[in-house]
Amino acid sequence: GENVEQHPSTLSVQEGDSAVIKCTYSDSASNYFPWYKQELGKRPQLIIDIRSNVGEKKDQRIAVTLNKTAKHFSLHITETQPEDSAVYFCAAREGRGSTLGRLYFGRGTQLTVWP
Amino acid sequence: DVKVTQSSRYLVKRTGEKVFLECVQDMDHENMFWYRQDPGLGLRLIYFSYDVKMKEKGDIPEGYSVSREKKERFSLILESASTNQTSMYLCASSSQGPSYNEQFFGPGTRLTVL
Repeated sequence: GENVEQHPSTLSVQEGDSAVIKCTYSDSASNYFPWYKQELGKRPQLIIDIRSNVGEKKDQRIAVTLNKTAKHFSLHITETQPEDSAVYFCAAREGRGSTLGRLYFGRGTQLTVWP
Repeated sequence: DVKVTQSSRYLVKRTGEKVFLECVQDMDHENMFWYRQDPGLGLRLIYFSYDVKMKEKGDIPEGYSVSREKKERFSLILESASTNQTSMYLCASSSQGPSYNEQFFGPGTRLTVL
């Protein structure tokens, strides 16, 4: 099966700085890469996703890039704010038998934004 | 608005008890999932189901079983609870097909086994 690795496990930034979280995956057939945000005491929620036929996607202050050749994808948050503080999970979906929708998650990154 | 609910937010059980965790979704999703979340280990898949009465093992199925008798309901069963099953349990659901991949999560059940 797929194996997703996520780095760093913790990240602290000053408010207004940028934050970058990186993930690698093992299955070259994986075709969908979502990012989830989990605030303290709450459920994970999808914040952005990218499909394998796209190299970059942006939504206001967050962006995701995908390098299929290197099998890695990254989350970029610009102009960070204290409310960005949360655990962020990357995930990958297998390309084979893909209608089942199973996601393979990274271990998460605890992002702390200091005011 | 998709809603995934779980029967309990907090649960305390004793070693050896049989434990049922219930999950219900109201969006007619085909797929349902049970994850376990532990600090530093992320979201680990226990079991998933892509249809009524169908189930597939995830990465850590040992000590757990599941039941899906109706499309909207997916139950996680701990046959004989042990202290190492103390954890946060998250249920999720999603549609099938290449265009609908988002998994919607429930609020979680914090299970403590004494």
